[in-house]
Amino acid sequence: QKEVEQNSGPLSVPEGAIASLNCTYSDRVSQSFFWYRQYSGKSPELIMSIYSNGDKEDGRFTAQLNKASQYVSLLIRDSQPSDSATYLCAVIDGYSGGGADGLTFGKGTHLIIQP
Amino acid sequence: SAVISQKPSRDICQRGTSLTIQCQVDSQVTMMFWYRQQPGQSLTLIATANQGSEATYESGFVIDKFPISRPNLTFSTLTVSNMSPEDSSIYLCSARLGAWAYNEQFFGPGTRLTVL
Repeated sequence: QKEVEQNSGPLSVPEGAIASLNCTYSDRVSQSFFWYRQYSGKSPELIMSIYSNGDKEDGRFTAQLNKASQYVSLLIRDSQPSDSATYLCAVIDGYSGGGADGLTFGKGTHLIIQP
Repeated sequence: SAVISQKPSRDICQRGTSLTIQCQVDSQVTMMFWYRQQPGQSLTLIATANQGSEATYESGFVIDKFPISRPNLTFSTLTVSNMSPEDSSIYLCSARLGAWAYNEQFFGPGTRLTVL
């Protein structure tokens, strides 16, 4: 049974600081990783995907992947109150070939950015 | 990205009845999926909606309870059959734009179901 672990929080970060969200996964076969943001009452919104070891940056967001440690993280720089949401980590098997696999989600981390 | 719409957005149903949820994507997509998000919980994959063949269900979900159709590359339906209060949840349709596992998946707005 594939497991994705996240600290449920809440994680409270002052405005303008860096928010660091962490995720670990149990299945070494997992190859592709996604971070979603979910506001209360809304559906998940894709922030970033990553499948290679190292860092991937997109604007204020940086995803970090370490497959040896089975660890993926999301950094949010210059945190804004609008970043307050639940952040979901999701994993999928396979790098190529697709297949029918959907995503396995963690329980999410509730992030609060304090003005 | 893809724009995904779902109908209905919400419904209140009686125990023992069935509800069919529709999902429409604004472009042809390779993969479509159905997820459930129970109150205060994360998302759980129900099944992969396969175009032209039977859906592939995850452990704990069966076709008799959650029949799924996918007649073409832009549309799918999920039926929640013989409902009980435990089926009260948000049901989300998702689409993956490409055939590769690393292709991004996008979600529809969800259908909020309450069973009395």
